[in-house]
Amino acid sequence: DQQVKQNSPSLSVQEGRISILNCDYTNSMFDYFLWYKKYPAEGPTFLISISSIKDKNEDGRFTVFLNKSAKHLSLHIVPSQPGDSAVYFCAAGAPGTYKYIFGTGTRLKVLA
Amino acid sequence: GAVVSQHPSRVICKSGTSVKIECRSLDFQATTMFWYRQFPKQSLMLMATSNEGSKATYEQGVEKDKFLINHASLTLSTLTVTSAHPEDSSFYICSARGRAGAQETQYFGPGTRLLVL
Repeated sequence: DQQVKQNSPSLSVQEGRISILNCDYTNSMFDYFLWYKKYPAEGPTFLISISSIKDKNEDGRFTVFLNKSAKHLSLHIVPSQPGDSAVYFCAAGAPGTYKYIFGTGTRLKVLA
Repeated sequence: GAVVSQHPSRVICKSGTSVKIECRSLDFQATTMFWYRQFPKQSLMLMATSNEGSKATYEQGVEKDKFLINHASLTLSTLTVTSAHPEDSSFYICSARGRAGAQETQYFGPGTRLLVL
């Protein structure tokens, strides 16, 4: 049972345009969400997070939106750069626990 | 920023041998560390939560006698894959719970690729 889902395994975007990566979850107890970026043969790198009391969090070119009623979050990258090409994982955690459940990842390719 | 290291980065071993993987938090103390496993094109799957000075908590379906975890200090956790078999070949990643500035989150190591022949 996949509690965190990223239904798009891959995405290609032209440099300078917006990249939108989506993530859905099923457990309404999740209250903390994160996005990680991962290059091949490396560990994930933390990008941005959002708690359930917010619906938007912005950090530079990265913005995460949370729609609690739809159990959906998205990561917007604008403008996209070739160096953003990587696999992006969303993760979710429940209150009182530091265990995160990860999605299957979306491979983003930014074309120069 | 918070840095987590893993050693070795890559290991090849024969079936039946044991392999130890180290995870260190370099510039912060981590009372809690996590061990994940990632198969190709799949998600990171949490194997166990490692707390300093106490027994690890294993996720359902993970054999604690096969994957031995020791969190001996606030900066070191080890995962030992005992009697490894080819199906144990995977990418093993640790993370440590820590704080960088105002942000507390999990910081991941670079991973260890295990290949069991």
